[in-house]
Amino acid sequence: EIVMTQSPVTLSVSPGERATLSCRASQSVNSNLAWYQHKPGQAPRLLIYGASTRATGISARFSGSGSGTEFTLTISSLQSEDFAIYYCQQYSNWPPWTFGQGTRVDVK
Amino acid sequence: QVQLVQSGAEVKKPGASVKVSCKASGYIFTSYGINWVRQAPGQGLEWMGWISANNGNTNYAQKVQGRVTMTTDTSTSTAYMELRSLRYDDTAIYYCGRDLIAMVPTIPSFWGQGTLVTVSS
Repeated sequence: EIVMTQSPVTLSVSPGERATLSCRASQSVNSNLAWYQHKPGQAPRLLIYGASTRATGISARFSGSGSGTEFTLTISSLQSEDFAIYYCQQYSNWPPWTFGQGTRVDVK
Repeated sequence: QVQLVQSGAEVKKPGASVKVSCKASGYIFTSYGINWVRQAPGQGLEWMGWISANNGNTNYAQKVQGRVTMTTDTSTSTAYMELRSLRYDDTAIYYCGRDLIAMVPTIPSFWGQGTLVTVSS
């Protein structure tokens, strides 16, 4: 099973600032990496797939990069609606398609 | 537009079974697989398994293998997830999610609203 490790666990950011979230895979997943945003009481929302492709309707302030074992999600200028938990998920080897443990982005 | 509508909340006793439904609309049901993901209270997301709506092939996470069965009914465009021998730590919100890409097992792109399953004596 591929283990996904996200850092940091919590990221405190002021509105308008940039946020950088990391995700590391225990073995190469090539570019088979997705990022989700999850808010309480809502379903997760797909932000990025293929490590760097924005899903339909996702703001350009979200960008993804990386390949192999190291990945980054960058939110260029945090808006109030961006405060949430963010998960990475690999879909290279299964079962399972593993998630990271999540990074909580909250208001500084 | 793509929609996945899940069945309502359930309360079950330990050892019982639960069957959650996920009714799809807005796309050709048999062209996409369905993932099932859960989130226990205070925990992260956990992928449970996948089913092809085209041919019924499944792939389950080892953690629930032997207790879970995923099925589809193509006549009603509905996917089902049945979990048996429920334990307290099965208490979670269960989500269905449609594959991102047609005819290829991938990640969920469209999600249902979630179904809370509570295991309590």
